[in-house]
Amino acid sequence: EPEVTQTPSHQVTQMGQEVILRCVPISNHLYFYWYRQILGQKVEFLVSFYNNEISEKSEIFDDQFSVERPDGSNFTLKIRSTKLEDSAMYFCASSVDRNTEAFFGQGTRLTVV
Amino acid sequence: QQQVKQSPQSLIVQKGGISIINCAYENTAFDYFPWYQQFPGKGPALLIAIRPDVSEKKEGRFTISFNKSAKQFSLHIMDSQPGDSATYFCAAFSHNTDKLIFGTGTRLQVFP
Repeated sequence: EPEVTQTPSHQVTQMGQEVILRCVPISNHLYFYWYRQILGQKVEFLVSFYNNEISEKSEIFDDQFSVERPDGSNFTLKIRSTKLEDSAMYFCASSVDRNTEAFFGQGTRLTVV
Repeated sequence: QQQVKQSPQSLIVQKGGISIINCAYENTAFDYFPWYQQFPGKGPALLIAIRPDVSEKKEGRFTISFNKSAKQFSLHIMDSQPGDSATYFCAAFSHNTDKLIFGTGTRLQVFP
């Protein structure tokens, strides 16, 4: 069964450092998303990406964040200068179309120290 | 108006019992309502979803009931099993945005 894969599963970084979280969406999907989940809290939308551009972003997704689809398979989330409060699980998701089933990856646990 | 309110926060059910989780929303633009199951350390996994043109959808032991006029929907897990112990999130999607709005989650524990 096709699945969304994310790497790494766990990333520890020092405050102020840049991190790149990587995702391989399901191959025939056209919409890509990043969500995050602070420990014990709900899943929050960060950004959606379609046709090689951001289609929507939340207020969390400030200038420190960027997304890219550098080739036909990878979808990345970059945090330029990490803060302690960026510590969370980051989930990549993809869907065939807008407003259809979104499939989530296993997540990357980001710990900023 | 973008919120989805979910209750209860936690639920303890005996094996074989019925688990019921409720969600409510305000935004009438929401038109797709999935439920996700999440095990510790894992990503949310799509369980079942419904659109507002039907009032009920059943898949195996899982049923969504949808009340459009009340703007409420619920997940019923029949014959609950210990393997169902997880956190359940309701969510809503609007046709005019790209984002899923998640509820706050319900931690379900099913005891043998």
